[in-house]
Amino acid sequence: AAGVIQSPRHLIKEKRETATLKCYPIPRHDTVYWYQQGPGQDPQFLISFYEKMQSDKGSIPDRFSAQQFSDYHSELNMSSLELGDSALYFCASSPTRDLKTQYFGPGTRLLVL
Amino acid sequence: QKEVEQDPGPLSVPEGAIVSLNCTYSNSAFQYFMWYRQYSRKGPELLMYTYSSGNKEDGRFTAQVDKSSKYISLFIRDSQPSDSATYLCAMSAIQGAQKLVFGQGTRLTINP
Repeated sequence: AAGVIQSPRHLIKEKRETATLKCYPIPRHDTVYWYQQGPGQDPQFLISFYEKMQSDKGSIPDRFSAQQFSDYHSELNMSSLELGDSALYFCASSPTRDLKTQYFGPGTRLLVL
Repeated sequence: QKEVEQDPGPLSVPEGAIVSLNCTYSNSAFQYFMWYRQYSRKGPELLMYTYSSGNKEDGRFTAQVDKSSKYISLFIRDSQPSDSATYLCAMSAIQGAQKLVFGQGTRLTINP
């Protein structure tokens, strides 16, 4: 079965640089969520989109922005990167008919040097 | 204090043992309760999902929710080495696009 696709899988950036993470949800899933997981930490909710509109916002820094496109894929844009942004970034998707189950992608591991 | 508390372990048990994993929570608005399994360097994988109080069984896995005590459990019977992973409880409250609030995760090792 098709799963959530995230790219890139690994990314190395320097402080103050920008990064763009991409997420392709499971086909026919129209809701996308972004989570950040620091080393040894639980995933923290950043932001979500439903039908291309932002639906909920968590602890996302102002330096980050995200959007969902017409094909339902989503991009997380991160600017002025800081060392503390180094983490695993997960995207999850859910179908309209079952918003309570979220299926996670493999994650993008971001390292800021 | 975190909304969801979970003992991080690590927990190590022999193969075949019954494993009990637990979470407590403080937000009475939580209605949906999930258990995710996460292997090292992988994304969380949805194992079980329950709504409100009660039990749910799926093969060797049983999820229990006690909303009156704000306490949820995951039981694994006949544990296998392949069950070794970090287990995360997660909860959500409202209808619509529901963000998940996770516990810290319990690292479980099943020894052959």
